[in-house]
Amino acid sequence: KNQVEQSPQSLIILEGKNCTLQCNYTVSPFSNLRWYKQDTGRGPVSLTIMTFSENTKSNGRYTATLDADTKQSSLHITASQLSDSASYICVVSAMAGTASKLTFGTGTRLQVML
Amino acid sequence: DTEVTQTPKHLVMGMTNKKSLKCEQHMGHRAMYWYKQKAKKPPELMFVYSYEKLSINESVPSRFSPECPNSSLLNLHLHALQPEDSALYLCASSQTGQLNTEAFFGQGTRLTVV
Repeated sequence: KNQVEQSPQSLIILEGKNCTLQCNYTVSPFSNLRWYKQDTGRGPVSLTIMTFSENTKSNGRYTATLDADTKQSSLHITASQLSDSASYICVVSAMAGTASKLTFGTGTRLQVML
Repeated sequence: DTEVTQTPKHLVMGMTNKKSLKCEQHMGHRAMYWYKQKAKKPPELMFVYSYEKLSINESVPSRFSPECPNSSLLNLHLHALQPEDSALYLCASSQTGQLNTEAFFGQGTRLTVV
């Protein structure tokens, strides 16, 4: 069964600090791995998307890593801001016919405080 | 245009009502998805349309009826819903058959069944 596990479940940090979120997955056949940011009651917004051949990808203050051998990914947030408070969801894509089938992690709820 | 537009944003309906959720994208994507998300849970896949044909139905009750009238539109017809169907309904779209395909989500329809 395809699964995506994230840790920690929740995290509180002070503004300006860095943090790292973890994602472990067992999804086959692996297509790509995405990190999404979701504000409460809103749709997820893509931060990064990585294929098996990519180890690191950055998007502003967000840097994602992928180890396809150990099936692990991380999302590092640098110099956090209050607006970073949201749920961060790791999503792994498996090919299913002609469409991707996404397996969602349960997310990490990040709260950035003054 | 990288937007997926969902209407309405909020919907309150009785258990005997018939209503429809609408989703629209103009990115030329040929795969469109419906997800259901309960509070503090990850989105759950309901349906996948690929090239306007239903390719995945995740054993969703028949009171939810999807429709894809053309490559830009996706509807979800609702009839005789239960209070436990109250949730955030998310639409997404992506290219099909592309290894590096990106999925874009709409802002969701917040559905309350009374």
